[in-house]
Amino acid sequence: GQQLNQSPQSMFIQEGEDVSMNCTSSSIFNTWLWYKQEPGEGPVLLIALYKAGELTSNGRLTAQFGITRKDSFLNISASIPSDVGIYFCAGNTGNQFYFGTGTSLTVIP
Amino acid sequence: ETGVTQSPTHLIKTRGQQVTLRCSSQSGHNTVSWYQQALGQGPQFIFQYYREEENGRGNFPPRFSGLQFPNYSSELNVNALELDDSALYLCASSLTRGGDGYTFGSGTRLTVV
Repeated sequence: GQQLNQSPQSMFIQEGEDVSMNCTSSSIFNTWLWYKQEPGEGPVLLIALYKAGELTSNGRLTAQFGITRKDSFLNISASIPSDVGIYFCAGNTGNQFYFGTGTSLTVIP
Repeated sequence: ETGVTQSPTHLIKTRGQQVTLRCSSQSGHNTVSWYQQALGQGPQFIFQYYREEENGRGNFPPRFSGLQFPNYSSELNVNALELDDSALYLCASSLTRGGDGYTFGSGTRLTVV
């Protein structure tokens, strides 16, 4: 099945730094979502985006739905140790859901 | 309000056997979807059920089948297990058929030997 391309694949950052990651696809999506997954758990929804150009924040997290509807990015400001985990983007066509390859984030105190 | 619960949490099966995984949706959610997550990979969409009918399917063979019950709980059945079926199987439920804002369970870890 199709997977979305996420970059970077992994990040090692100092606590307090900002983080940026993105997701691209060859297909157009109706909805973009960003999830975080921690070991032994299912993904947890962080932000949902519903229209092209939309910019949405959730605390220190900000995400945007690309104008072409084929990409999205997620920013995390002032990272803290509990931000550690794997971040996945996901695109929804209406009845099909595609996940990205994931960005593994490590925050060094 | 309970979240999405899956059972069992871990399972070991032999190649060629059949397996049934179960999922209880979050209260009020009428849409459920199933995903296969291999180690180090993102979840792969298997299929989605809305009000007991399949309304979306990913690139998985017919030996992967499912059911959704009137109370919106769901089962994933896999026949003729192969070694490559070893993965974390995730169930997610949603209020809407569009699937935005899925709530995921913690998954069932299936090992095929």
